[in-house]
Amino acid sequence: ETGVTQSPTHLIKTRGQQVTLRCSSQSGHNTVSWYQQALGQGPQFIFQYYREEENGRGNFPPRFSGLQFPNYSSELNVNALELDDSALYLCASSPPPGSSYEQYFGPGTRLTVT
Amino acid sequence: DQQVKQNSPSLSVQEGRISILNCDYTNSMFDYFLWYKKYPAEGPTFLISISSIKDKNEDGRFTVFLNKSAKHLSLHIVPSQPGDSAVYFCAVGTMTTDSWGKLQFGAGTQVVVTP
Repeated sequence: ETGVTQSPTHLIKTRGQQVTLRCSSQSGHNTVSWYQQALGQGPQFIFQYYREEENGRGNFPPRFSGLQFPNYSSELNVNALELDDSALYLCASSPPPGSSYEQYFGPGTRLTVT
Repeated sequence: DQQVKQNSPSLSVQEGRISILNCDYTNSMFDYFLWYKKYPAEGPTFLISISSIKDKNEDGRFTVFLNKSAKHLSLHIVPSQPGDSAVYFCAVGTMTTDSWGKLQFGAGTQVVVTP
């Protein structure tokens, strides 16, 4: 069974640029959630994708967007990067809603915005 | 507003002793609760969970207690081992269809287990 993988591991971008982060979900999981973890804080929910559609969103602006593909992998896109976007971005996969509420996290992508 | 609070940023415990981590939440609508452990450079790892219909769940050395009236949960680790040194996050959620899987996390407690 393959776990959740994320790429890239680290990324450095300049303010105003755009970034795409990628996530492959665990085998058998069709729901992917994205979280942002700033230094010294817990992960904050960005949004969730289920069956290739956004299934809920946290308190993040529209410049944070995502996609889910037929193989359940997912992308997180952030436009017009700001310094405060510097954080660890975590992807979590889970079985369909209603089956299990445990989420399994990838190792994260560390984004630094300068 | 912070709906999930872990008021102890750090905890130091001797090997073999009990570690007790605490978590408070504000919204009585939350009905499932999880604990995650995180090592540096890794993603959070699921440890144990409990739903609101229970007040205790045990898995090996890990036990989670839920006090719904106090909106409080705790994680007990007995006995503590050096490999337990990590950051522990509590996470809460609701099992409604439109909120499924949208977890809210506390800020974490850094546990250090000393020999």
